[in-house]
Amino acid sequence: DAKTTQPPSMDCAEGRAANLPCNHSTISGNEYVYWYRQIHSQGPQYIIHGLKNNETNEMASLIITEDRKSSTLILPHATLRDTAVYYCIVRDNYGQNFVFGPGTRLSVLP
Amino acid sequence: EAGVAQSPRYKIIEKRQSVAFWCNPISGHATLYWYQQILGQGPKLLIQFQNNGVVDDSQLPKDRFSAERLKGVDSTLKIQPAKLEDSAVYLCASSFELAGGYNEQFFGPGTRLTVL
Repeated sequence: DAKTTQPPSMDCAEGRAANLPCNHSTISGNEYVYWYRQIHSQGPQYIIHGLKNNETNEMASLIITEDRKSSTLILPHATLRDTAVYYCIVRDNYGQNFVFGPGTRLSVLP
Repeated sequence: EAGVAQSPRYKIIEKRQSVAFWCNPISGHATLYWYQQILGQGPKLLIQFQNNGVVDDSQLPKDRFSAERLKGVDSTLKIQPAKLEDSAVYLCASSFELAGGYNEQFFGPGTRLTVL
């Protein structure tokens, strides 16, 4: 079973920030938080990952709470092309497999 | 760099028939994964290879599914015989797995299987 809980769907207006929450209350100390997204008819695509510090790259920002029990993926200026299913996954870097839950279906509206 | 290649992209078969999917990972990636994605669900790992050895096949239905990765590069996944519930997208992914390092999996476009 997935170790994360995400809302099944969210809407966001084009040009606005999309904030996607994820709960991972049972995360252990050596587990990272990974985010992937899956655009329709494509395979999942890596977005970002983090351990306990906030992270930012060209695609998104990842905010992890101090107790690491939840996190938020932020797409700062959502576009129509960001419409996809977003998966939050926790995994250590010593051989655990990725366990995908159903994710959050983000719809960016014009 | 070239991505993960999969073929065919689509396949329609009747139940009890056999089918095979092919995957060519990114060059240099030692780890290869096969996932099954049923409509509306996230991908579920079927099997993981490290080079040409199986690391994890605990969720592979071995009575009908088989996979191999000869020479540690290309891989094939076979279903024999297929059932209606095997209708899904079969995704192949590869990674340059480093123990203790972050792991980015690169996914192919998938093969959509429909079993009638």
